[in-house]
Amino acid sequence: QVQLVQSGAEVKKPGASVKVSCKASGYIFTSYGLSWVRQAPGQGLEWMGWINTYSGNANYAQNLQGRVTMTTDTPTNTAYMELRSLRSDDTAVYFCARAGSYSGLDYWGQGTLVTVSS
Amino acid sequence: DIQMTQSPSTLSASVGARVTITCRASQSFSTWLAWYQQKPGKAPKLLIYKASSLESGVPSRFSGSGSGTEFTLTISSLQPDDFATYYCQQYTSYPWTFGQGTKVEIK
Repeated sequence: QVQLVQSGAEVKKPGASVKVSCKASGYIFTSYGLSWVRQAPGQGLEWMGWINTYSGNANYAQNLQGRVTMTTDTPTNTAYMELRSLRSDDTAVYFCARAGSYSGLDYWGQGTLVTVSS
Repeated sequence: DIQMTQSPSTLSASVGARVTITCRASQSFSTWLAWYQQKPGKAPKLLIYKASSLESGVPSRFSGSGSGTEFTLTISSLQPDDFATYYCQQYTSYPWTFGQGTKVEIK
């Protein structure tokens, strides 16, 4: 069965970086893209970007350009999302989600809480 | 960017009621629209993709329709398990964007 398992919760200070991992299993990793979505406490869903797991090409949300990098390690079927220069408003649950060609985001990781606090 | 606006923001309904949630887009597009259900503390769950295609395993009381700038999610007979927050999302062009969510509460 398809599973996306994310790394554990993180607490970071303002200005630091965080790298969240998302390990995929149960399907051919490079056959589907992967998106990252975040959700601040009590707020809605915010799309952060998408990575083509075959080519490594990524497309990022404009408001995160320059601070976010999405990568993959195909031998381990793992995707990573790194966010730099963290601010308090980056405090959120971060989700990875499999992106089918036509089907939207059909499988989701369990979420990773990133807390940014001094 | 395509902005997605959902209405209503909150909806109170009884078990068995027919519920409709609307999602309006700032630009017209054809079918690349999805609907998700999210319960507190959980990841979103895909319900509908390509505007009207039911995801495998999702009950048939959920349906989606629309094109252009107006899309709807309908729950034909609300069940206790359906009380949650619902989001639409366009994936026709980058950046993909979500609606702000509609919370369905028990009346």
